[in-house]
Order: sequence, then C-alpha cells, then structure tokens
Amino acid sequence: KNEVEQSPQNLTAQEGEFITINCSYSVGISALHWLQQHPGGGIVSLFMLSSGKKKHGRLIATINIQEKHSSLHITASHPRDSAVYICAPTYGNKLVFGAGTILRVKS
Amino acid sequence: KAGVTQTPRYLIKTRGQQVTLSCSPISGHRSVSWYQQTPGQGLQFLFEYFSETQRNKGNFPGRFSGRQFSNSRSEMNVSTLELGDSALYLCASSVDRNTDTQYFGPGTRLTVL
Repeated sequence: KNEVEQSPQNLTAQEGEFITINCSYSVGISALHWLQQHPGGGIVSLFMLSSGKKKHGRLIATINIQEKHSSLHITASHPRDSAVYICAPTYGNKLVFGAGTILRVKS
Repeated sequence: KAGVTQTPRYLIKTRGQQVTLSCSPISGHRSVSWYQQTPGQGLQFLFEYFSETQRNKGNFPGRFSGRQFSNSRSEMNVSTLELGDSALYLCASSVDRNTDTQYFGPGTRLTVL
C-alpha cells in the first residue's frame, strides 16, 4: 500500500475556479509539506504544516491529523498556477512524496 | 539572500563511471537534503546532512554517498553509474529540516549512457 495517496492525478480548471487537491497518508506524521513544481523542474515549498491551517495569498493548506488527510486549496485560480503539486509527509526523519497532481488552468 | 545553487546543471556520463554533484545552501542553513526524481519513481529522499553529519538516509544502495563541509556546502557522489541512475538530482536546504521550510535548488540533470 502506498504511504501517500494524492487525488486527483490530473486536474484541468478554468481560470477563476476554486481548486482542491487532496492528500492521504497511512500512519502518524510529524509534519507535511506541499510542494509546487513547474515545467523545467524547479520546486518551491509552499507550506509545511503539522496541524490546522495555513494561508499564503490565494493558497490555503489544511491538515486533519486524526483523519490523516491534508488538502491544498487554490482560490481564484490563474494559468500561472499550472504546475505539479506534491504532498510530502514527514515520518520521523523520513520524507515521503506523493505522486503529484498535474494542474492545468485554462484562460 | 542568494538561493540554493547546484552545479553542474547538466551532466552526461557513461555506465561504470562515477559522478560528484555539488550543492551550496542558503547562507545560515545547516541542513542539506538530497533527492532523486525520475519519471517512474517520482521524488525519493536520498539523505540529509546537518552540521557535517549524515542525519538520515533513504533506501538507496551504497553507491550513493554524500558529505557536508564545515561551510554547509554538500556533495553527493554516485559510483559505478547505472542507466537507472539517470535522473534529476535536487538538493534542498533549511535551517533545520525537521522544523523549517526547505528551499530547493534548480537540480542537476544526470544522463547515464
């Protein structure tokens, strides 16, 4: 069983839409990262959270420790949000990556 | 503040050779982690160095090794290269990976022929 499950694998949205990407993990974690990777490979760390909710601009990340689930929301999506979004739970000192969600936002 | 830099950006090697990749972290960051990204396996954790000591290691063979210098710069080495080692190798630095955001470098694209 995969330690990290992300859904959906692919997502196409119209500009302005509200987007949600989900991440489920199998055992207790110490923290969870959300990463963004643009074509060409560059990775940006969007959030690191261990409880509750964090917000940065149009991005919101939430985590429910009891349900072992995290979500990344993008409000008022824009074509520049098109990228791969990866969740990465931290189990002790080990970082495990989800397969990623490919997001395409059309104008 | 300068970001994380990696050198070289692109590298072509042949099977059996060895390779050394370099990572310079953001000033003040003591933790450097290395990751491998391939189309088939996605992102995988290689190892992490903190204050010149390897603190964590992923599930990679002993051909993959690394070190960290007193100025926090880190190198990773892959010996006896195999075709399957072709990948994007990323390093990331943070003040402390366990508690802080990681900042990723642009990566080194290694092709093994």
